[in-house]
Amino acid sequence: DTEVTQTPKHLVMGMTNKKSLKCEQHMGHRAMYWYKQKAKKPPELMFVYSYEKLSINESVPSRFSPECPNSSLLNLHLHALQPEDSALYLCASSQDWGQPNQPQHFGDGTRLSIL
Amino acid sequence: GQNIDQPTEMTATEGAIVQINCTYQTSGFNGLFWYQQHAGEAPTFLSYNVLDGLEEKGRFSSFLSRSKGYSYLLLKELQMKDSASYLCAPHGGATNKLIFGTGTLLAVQP
Repeated sequence: DTEVTQTPKHLVMGMTNKKSLKCEQHMGHRAMYWYKQKAKKPPELMFVYSYEKLSINESVPSRFSPECPNSSLLNLHLHALQPEDSALYLCASSQDWGQPNQPQHFGDGTRLSIL
Repeated sequence: GQNIDQPTEMTATEGAIVQINCTYQTSGFNGLFWYQQHAGEAPTFLSYNVLDGLEEKGRFSSFLSRSKGYSYLLLKELQMKDSASYLCAPHGGATNKLIFGTGTLLAVQP
């Protein structure tokens, strides 16, 4: 079991649907992250939130919209996705952002399939 | 630019020792993490090196040479459950990001 909880574990959606991925941590971490991972590839950073403010957007298409309602929650809103967006979406958190000696703790991910 | 190189796959025998190498070139460097990822699961933190030398944590050890841009993860007394992907991840650069290597898929055989 991980200390970062992601829901749902699996999601199948059509290209016209709107859905949201959710992530929650109760470790008091101030930095939260979204990563995308394709099969047999490493995680790729999408967004970083620090103290509930968006700090990094890795040129992610606008069909992915992150939101950080409070320090424990991180959402990823999805709209008009493409088949190539099918992947494992990982949420992570760390005590602070940019501090080199603080590991990121990952959730189990949401496996997303776009029809 | 960023470049991280580690072997794609390795095979080892239960009870043996295996060393997974990683070389990296990053525009900035603050330290290096190793993560383990079982298929379909979350990456889990294994070790962190910021200074040159060896860090030991039970059956796992990690080594870093900053001047050579080189790290390795050493796994001793291999168990079947150690079959997983091992990700080398330097930390740093202009935006203090964690950059993951492509991972080394380790298969432990009886």
